[in-house]
Amino acid sequence: DTGVSQNPRHKITKRGQNVTFRCDPISEHNRLYWYRQTLGQGPEFLTYFQNEAQLEKSRLLSDRFSAERPKGSFSTLEIQRTEQGDSAMYLCASSAPGGGTEAFFGQGTRLTVV
Amino acid sequence: EDQVTQSPEALRLQEGESSSLNCSYTVSGLRGLFWYRQDPGKGPEFLFTLYSAGEEKEKERLKATLTKKESFLHITAPKPEDSATYLCAVQAAGSARQLTFGSGTQLTVLP
Repeated sequence: DTGVSQNPRHKITKRGQNVTFRCDPISEHNRLYWYRQTLGQGPEFLTYFQNEAQLEKSRLLSDRFSAERPKGSFSTLEIQRTEQGDSAMYLCASSAPGGGTEAFFGQGTRLTVV
Repeated sequence: EDQVTQSPEALRLQEGESSSLNCSYTVSGLRGLFWYRQDPGKGPEFLFTLYSAGEEKEKERLKATLTKKESFLHITAPKPEDSATYLCAVQAAGSARQLTFGSGTQLTVLP
């Protein structure tokens, strides 16, 4: 296993279109996170899954955003009716069971809304 | 609300010139403090986890320390390949394990 995998790496879309990103976590990791990062800022938490259950969502996650993790394996993040303000790097991270364990990040999906 | 402040925002060093990066935090019960390195266009790469005041971790030219209110990342005799953005993050006790990040310190090491 080579780490957290995210696809696509880059996505350019027109305003108003829907986009979906995929994250494949490290295989034995049951915790999965989505973060958003804009230029010059640190990543901001969006949502958290433990196995297939979505246990926490940030208030940053508007109604246009939805995330799933069917069967507790890969996860998808969908943005509906994209806006220019959605342009950012979307990062996925996973961590192993247990307390205080470090999260490992994927390379991210760079979204540009034109 | 958990907060993380990193300073300086940017730091330029000559190769071999040692320095320290600062991370100040406020959190409702610290589960862990994390340091990551991020290269342009890539995801953060895990460096260290610190759990309690007084703890220190080392890796090559990097050494991380923790007090009750801040953490330092000491860089000894840096090389150009150490150039990156260094991110600090806290994980609060009782949380869903999500991380609250600072804005990072952009380090440039000149040859």
